[in-house]
Amino acid sequence: EAGVTQSPTHLIKTRGQQATLRCSPISGHTSVYWYQQALGLGLQFLLWYDEGEERNRGNFPPRFSGRQFPNYSSELNVNALELEDSALYLCASSLEGRLSSGNTIYFGEGSWLTVV
Amino acid sequence: AQTVTQSQPEMSVQEAETVTLSCTYDTSENNYYLFWYKQPPSRQMILVIRQEAYKQQNATENRFSVNFQKAAKSFSLKISDSQLGDTAMYFCAFVTQGGSEKLVFGKGTKLTVNP
Repeated sequence: EAGVTQSPTHLIKTRGQQATLRCSPISGHTSVYWYQQALGLGLQFLLWYDEGEERNRGNFPPRFSGRQFPNYSSELNVNALELEDSALYLCASSLEGRLSSGNTIYFGEGSWLTVV
Repeated sequence: AQTVTQSQPEMSVQEAETVTLSCTYDTSENNYYLFWYKQPPSRQMILVIRQEAYKQQNATENRFSVNFQKAAKSFSLKISDSQLGDTAMYFCAFVTQGGSEKLVFGKGTKLTVNP
């Protein structure tokens, strides 16, 4: 069974541009989470999607947005890129969004975004 | 504020020995789950062990065990019989019940297992 897949693996953008990152959850998983891992920092929660709706959002500016498609895949958009947006962006998925009930979430290998 | 503190940025251990990674957290919630994740050079986060806050018994998974002290808000990870493959970043995290589905992570401890 395929795990969580993310694309692209690496992305280089210029300050002010837009970046789009994509995520395919494990088959049957309806919840998708996005986390940012900047150098030297832990993971910071970005977004949670479940059944096509945004359910929760972390402390990030509106430049960070996304959506979840009917097939439960998701994309993360970062507009007006800034140098400090350079980070590893990790996507994760779970069954029915019940992480808070102890369900396991499964992470992808991430997309490296470099802003120059 | 909900926070996780890992006070050891880096640690090293000899193969076959035991090492303990520290983690403290802060939350006003009473019901939550605690996790240790491993992030090897491949960057994929892998769940190592999970602890339910309402369970007093410490969780164990093969060579991995935790020391959970709820009153002290402490959640340390012990790795026994360390193996070279244990070399990775280790992150402590928790999520509270209540529907936010938000994992709060510490900054991680880089563990190196030496041959």
